This record gives sequence, C-alpha cells and structure tokens, in this order.
Amino acid sequence: SAVISQKPSRDICQRGTSLTIQCQVDSQVTMMFWYRQQPGQSLTLIATANQGSEATYESGFVIDKFPISRPNLTFSTLTVSNMSPEDSSIYLCSARIAGGNNEQFFGPGTRLTVL
Amino acid sequence: GEDVEQSLFLSVREGDSSVINCTYTDSSSTYLYWYKQEPGAGLQLLTYIFSNMDMKQDQRLTVLLNKKDKHLSLRIADTQTGDSAIYFCAESMRGADGLTFGKGTHLIIQP
Repeated sequence: SAVISQKPSRDICQRGTSLTIQCQVDSQVTMMFWYRQQPGQSLTLIATANQGSEATYESGFVIDKFPISRPNLTFSTLTVSNMSPEDSSIYLCSARIAGGNNEQFFGPGTRLTVL
Repeated sequence: GEDVEQSLFLSVREGDSSVINCTYTDSSSTYLYWYKQEPGAGLQLLTYIFSNMDMKQDQRLTVLLNKKDKHLSLRIADTQTGDSAIYFCAESMRGADGLTFGKGTHLIIQP
C-alpha cells in the first residue's frame, strides 16, 4: 500500500480567492489523479496529473479553474481558482503505485468550504 | 459513456452476510474496485478484481464478477458494527485511467 498525505486537511475560504492543495506520496508512483466529492455525493475524476506536462482534464473541468502541477513523481498540487460556494467539496488526491497491481490509493482529502 | 450503478442503502443484522451489488455499462472495464468510506474519513481500498477473474476472496470479503451481465458484488461475511460505512464500486478500462465511481451504498447494521 502507500501513504498519501494532503495539505491542508480543511479550509474555509472567501468567494473569489484561490486555494492550492498539496499531495505527497511516500512510494514510487506511476499515475496521480485528482477527484472531487461534493457533499453527499460520489467521487468525480477532475484530471490526471502528468509529470512534467499539462494535466489531462475530464469533461466539465478546465485548466483555468483547476490548474494542476506535478513537478516530480510523488508530488502534485491542485489549485481551485476564483472560488464560489459551488466549489465547496472534498478534494482527494490518489495514486497508482509502481510495481503494484493497479491498486489506486487515496489521500485523506481536503475539505473546502467557500463562503 | 461509462456508468456505474449501486443501490443507495442496505440494512442487515449484525452477524448476517451483507451483499452489495453494482452494475456497470462499459464492457471494456478491466479493473473493478470496492472502496469503503467511514463517516468523515477518506477512501479505503478494500479489494479489487480484474476482468479475467470470476471471484476473489480475502478473509471476510468475497467479490463476484459476472462479465456477461456486467454485475459485480461484494459479500461481507459475519457483518459487524465496524462494517457500517458507505461502499463504493469503481471501474477503469486501463491501468493508467482514473476511476469511475458509483454513488455508493450505505450499509446499515442492525443490532
């Protein structure tokens, strides 16, 4: 398995501001992903974080709103830009571990509330 | 597009077996997963199965896959109060893909 940490664990932000969430994995990683879990809902894939190149976004998500960086194999950031109350969600980082059997592990999530 | 369906609630008596069901639409789904989410907690990977398998057992957990019907189930034997959680079914086509999740099944344990 792998230990995935996220910072911050939670935040309360004002409308119009931006928040950057960090994700660190303690193992060698092949793939990293970002998901959103809106209140009482399931998880939705936002994007695949690609090392050294632009992230691959799912339908309905765009780089200007959710810029993602992955400067090395085990670290990624997700920024939620120009926030509105509709962005209030849990944001989760996940990773597939090198040498594994395609298990995908999740971080504890960042609970974001936008006022 | 891909779609994963689960019933929203399942209520079982403590000590009985729980069977949580999931259907998916994409016949190309190769990897199928079960995750557990306890209140206020993150997602815990419980088990997974590849599409070339019909069954996988891991202690109290048994996963059954019916590829013809695109149906996946998770059986929890001897259900305990600590099993109370939301259980998510998820699938992906390729190892490099992100996951498509069902809406989750709330497992409620009756004493």
